[in-house]
Amino acid sequence: SQTIHQWPATLVQPVGSPLSLECTVEGTSNPNLYWYRQAAGRGLQLLFYSVGIGQISSEVPQNLSASRPQDRQFILSSKKLLLSDSGFYLCAWSVFRGAGNTIYFGEGSWLTVV
Amino acid sequence: QKEVEQDPGPLSVPEGAIVSLNCTYSNSAFQYFMWYRQYSRKGPELLMYTYSSGNKEDGRFTAQVDKSSKYISLFIRDSQPSDSATYLCAMSMGGKLIFGQGTELSVKP
Repeated sequence: SQTIHQWPATLVQPVGSPLSLECTVEGTSNPNLYWYRQAAGRGLQLLFYSVGIGQISSEVPQNLSASRPQDRQFILSSKKLLLSDSGFYLCAWSVFRGAGNTIYFGEGSWLTVV
Repeated sequence: QKEVEQDPGPLSVPEGAIVSLNCTYSNSAFQYFMWYRQYSRKGPELLMYTYSSGNKEDGRFTAQVDKSSKYISLFIRDSQPSDSATYLCAMSMGGKLIFGQGTELSVKP
């Protein structure tokens, strides 16, 4: 069966510091991978998605970047965090079921920028 | 107009009640519909998915899709305090995936 691991689960970072969140998927090959952010209002905002190694699409211009160095690894980064980067970050992968994508989420990473 | 509308609640019901959660959508091209449950400070968990109009049942949960009205529902029978969570609808067309805002549900013992 497929599993998704995301870490760290919680972090507190000062403004201006760098960020690296990592995500790996097991039990599948060539998955579509996603980074979402969920603000306090519960809405899911798609940040990045990737259909293959080195292929990254950005949905929202921002202070963040993503990379996919290996087939099942997805990394979210920032060089200098802003207060507005605080939130709940979710990595996800998807499987296409003919009519559409079913997406599966990791446990999430809580980021507080202070 | 948002592509997917979902009442954020909060919705509070007594234990044992039947819960109805709903979403409306505007794009008739959506063919694939999902419901997720999200506990506080956790990632969303896929509950059910369905392709077609009609009902799909899984234990105490029933997903209903009415494509003619562009309306989907999730029914929870015999609701339990452990059902207290935020429920998100989602719909997909090819590679496009859209989520509702989520409805916060509280089941009181």
